[in-house]
Amino acid sequence: ELKVEQNPLFLSMQEGKNYTIYCNYSTTSDRLYWYRQDPGKSLESLFVLLSNGAVKQEGRLMASLDTKARLSTLHITAAVHDLSATYFCAVDRSNRDDKIIFGKGTRLHILP
Amino acid sequence: DADVTQTPRNRITKTGKRIMLECSQTKGHDRMYWYRQDPGLGLRLIYYSFDVKDINKGEISDGYSVSRQAQAKFSLSLESAIPNQTALYFCATSGPGDTQYFGPGTRLTVL
Repeated sequence: ELKVEQNPLFLSMQEGKNYTIYCNYSTTSDRLYWYRQDPGKSLESLFVLLSNGAVKQEGRLMASLDTKARLSTLHITAAVHDLSATYFCAVDRSNRDDKIIFGKGTRLHILP
Repeated sequence: DADVTQTPRNRITKTGKRIMLECSQTKGHDRMYWYRQDPGLGLRLIYYSFDVKDINKGEISDGYSVSRQAQAKFSLSLESAIPNQTALYFCATSGPGDTQYFGPGTRLTVL
């Protein structure tokens, strides 16, 4: 059974600090996604990671994928208040067994 | 104009009623998806479609049906709504590069 676990589920941090959100999954993935959701809003796609060792960066966010460890990370550098949101990872196996499984989300609160 | 639109945005209905949620996209993508979001559970895939003739069940398809009327339109139906189908429903599309684009969501309440 495919399971996707994010940790932490809640993170409160100071502006200017660095932190990492972890996404572990239990079986082979074809794609791994990271999304951002602001309260009361829809989801915004941040990154799509396709292969082992993939690293993508956008502004203060960087995502990486280790398919051997079945682990993806979302690293936040020098956090700013505008990055406060809930972040989801999702594992896509739709080409194998019709599954796209989301983690429960990490609610990030950045204190000014 | 938004690339992915959903109608209605909010709906309150009663147990046993049939309801349809509609999704339209202007991105020209072949792939479309329906998800539901419940507090603390993330999103769960209901159905997805890789093209007009290819429709697949997701993790929680029971109690739902879909119709892909055209490349741009993908509808979700609840034949007989029940209270535990109260949730936020999202439509999404994806195309080359696999980036997913989400609609604004439909908040459905079943009394």
